[in-house]
Amino acid sequence: AQSVTQLGSHVSVSEGALVLLRCNYSSSVPPYLFWYVQYPNQGLQLLLKYTSAATLVKGINGFEAEFKKSETSFHLTKPSAHMSDAAEYFCAVKAAGNKLTFGGGTRVLVKP
Amino acid sequence: GAGVSQSPSNKVTEKGKDVELRCDPISGHTALYWYRQSLGQGLEFLIYFQGNSAPDKSGLPSDRFSAERTGGSVSTLTIQRTQQEDSAVYLCASSLREVSTDTQYFGPGTRLTVL
Repeated sequence: AQSVTQLGSHVSVSEGALVLLRCNYSSSVPPYLFWYVQYPNQGLQLLLKYTSAATLVKGINGFEAEFKKSETSFHLTKPSAHMSDAAEYFCAVKAAGNKLTFGGGTRVLVKP
Repeated sequence: GAGVSQSPSNKVTEKGKDVELRCDPISGHTALYWYRQSLGQGLEFLIYFQGNSAPDKSGLPSDRFSAERTGGSVSTLTIQRTQQEDSAVYLCASSLREVSTDTQYFGPGTRLTVL
């Protein structure tokens, strides 16, 4: 079985500040990990994915995430928040099979 | 190129009615997935299709839910005798292959409201 936990359902950051979204997973086999972003009334868009190559993964819009096996974590960061980063972010894991198991999501609010 | 498309974008129905939701995957993608996004349950897997293989139906919540994929392309998710708890956004995704590292590309979803 696999599961994903995202700490914090809501995060508020100031424009220009660091964005840090936490994701921890559990999996009985080596996982593949994904971060998706969802803007209001839209589908999910892939930000980045870890597929067992480099542990530091760079994605779109200045986001990056680091896979830490010892901590079973895949936290998402962006050095400087922009107003356009306001959205909901989902961490997901694929272990056995091809279905994605999602965390509960973190809604990001960016304050001017 | 064109992304995953879904129709209708919104559907309001009365309890007990049947509904059909449609998904057009990205051309050439062999794998197609359905997920459901609801306030109470978050994002959850429903079913996926890969080529001519039998679909993985392990996420369907009840036998009122069914899906088919015709000609390896368009898929229809059918919910019979809808209940209020079926209200959710139904998301379709497709990937080029059924490979764990492949990205799943999502459509905009169909928002289903059961009155």
